Amino acid sequence: RKEVEQDPGPFNVPEGATVAFNCTYSNSASQSFFWYRQDCRKEPKLLMSVYSSGNEDGRFTAQLNRASQYISLLIRDSKLSDSATYLCAVGPNEKLTFGTGTRLTIIP
Amino acid sequence: DTAVSQTPKYLVTQMGNDKSIKCEQNLGHDTMYWYKQDSKKFLKIMFSYNNKELIINETVPNRFSPKSPDKAHLNLHINSLELGDSAVYFCASSQESSGQYFGPGTRLTVL
Repeated sequence: RKEVEQDPGPFNVPEGATVAFNCTYSNSASQSFFWYRQDCRKEPKLLMSVYSSGNEDGRFTAQLNRASQYISLLIRDSKLSDSATYLCAVGPNEKLTFGTGTRLTIIP
Repeated sequence: DTAVSQTPKYLVTQMGNDKSIKCEQNLGHDTMYWYKQDSKKFLKIMFSYNNKELIINETVPNRFSPKSPDKAHLNLHINSLELGDSAVYFCASSQESSGQYFGPGTRLTVL
């Protein structure tokens, strides 16, 4: 089993829809969890940290399920500008393991 | 006012050459990293430094040598470049559990 796994997609979603991705991890001792977005030919940008109690930032909600060892990202009311690749990152903060990303395209 | 900067942005060179990439962060972070992202978009850590000290050295060929002159800078020197070194190299920095912040990347092409 890979350390961190994501469905590569692509997810093609109509504008305004809600979309969710999961990311599974194998190391139950992992302490830090993040979601990043990466646009084509750009660097990964930190989208949000994922906390045990779940957290929300505008249209984005992140959750952690330690029992099943996955994190999730929910995007509500999706915008064209949400089109990107979404990477999860898991680990100790000083040695994060990144997933290979889920590609999302929002369709007008 | 760029937080993490890298130079050069593009690097095209012949096999066998030696090249360096520079990274600077003005976030006041203690930890800096080098990552390699290959053509399949897999982002893999190479090295990390904390306050100028090497703390992570993944299984990277010793042709790659990082150097941190101070905690705001982390450079990467690559000797005897090979075709398989072609990739995008990202520098990043972090402070405690804040998550890592990436530079814009250096796209290396070895011919």
